[in-house]
Amino acid sequence: GENVEQHPSTLSVQEGDSAVIKCTYSDSASNYFPWYKQELGKRPQLIIDIRSNVGEKKDQRIAVTLNKTAKHFSLHITETQPEDSAVYFCAPDAGGTSYGKLTFGQGTILTVHP
Amino acid sequence: SAVISQKPSRDICQRGTSLTIQCQVDSQVTMMFWYRQQPGQSLTLIATANQGSEATYESGFVIDKFPISRPNLTFSTLTVSNMSPEDSSIYLCSVLATGTEAFFGQGTRLTVV
Repeated sequence: GENVEQHPSTLSVQEGDSAVIKCTYSDSASNYFPWYKQELGKRPQLIIDIRSNVGEKKDQRIAVTLNKTAKHFSLHITETQPEDSAVYFCAPDAGGTSYGKLTFGQGTILTVHP
Repeated sequence: SAVISQKPSRDICQRGTSLTIQCQVDSQVTMMFWYRQQPGQSLTLIATANQGSEATYESGFVIDKFPISRPNLTFSTLTVSNMSPEDSSIYLCSVLATGTEAFFGQGTRLTVV
């Protein structure tokens, strides 16, 4: 099965700083790489995703970069705001015949201090 | 997008009893997934539920403990059987919409006493 490692486990930044979270995976068949944000007591919600044929994708302050050769992808948040404080999960799919099955990383607790 | 209604939202149950969690989707979907999120932890896939076939369970999860029904393309249930305190978790159903994006129900917070 897929092994997913996410780092760091906690990240504390000042408002306006950038935050970067890295996710490494093991299954070379994975071809879909999403990031989910989970606020306290809420359900996970997709914030950005990328497919294996693309190296980078950006959506306003959020970007995801993918290095398929090295099997890692990263979440970049610029100009952080207190409302960015949450737990972030990477969740690469299993690929192939296991389409749709996501393996979640351990999560990163991001705290943005005003 | 997909709107998922999951219930109950929370429950406190006695050990040895069973709880059935329902998941209703506002559109027809082929695949539904059930996840468990233990307190302060990540999400772990329990099983994949496809309409018209037996659910597929992940390593460490068995049908006798977590029986699943999928009677149609908009509905599924997960039963947590013979519960123990170790089953205290949040259980979430999920569906794929727009091809790949996973949407989650609001979760069922289960406490076993």
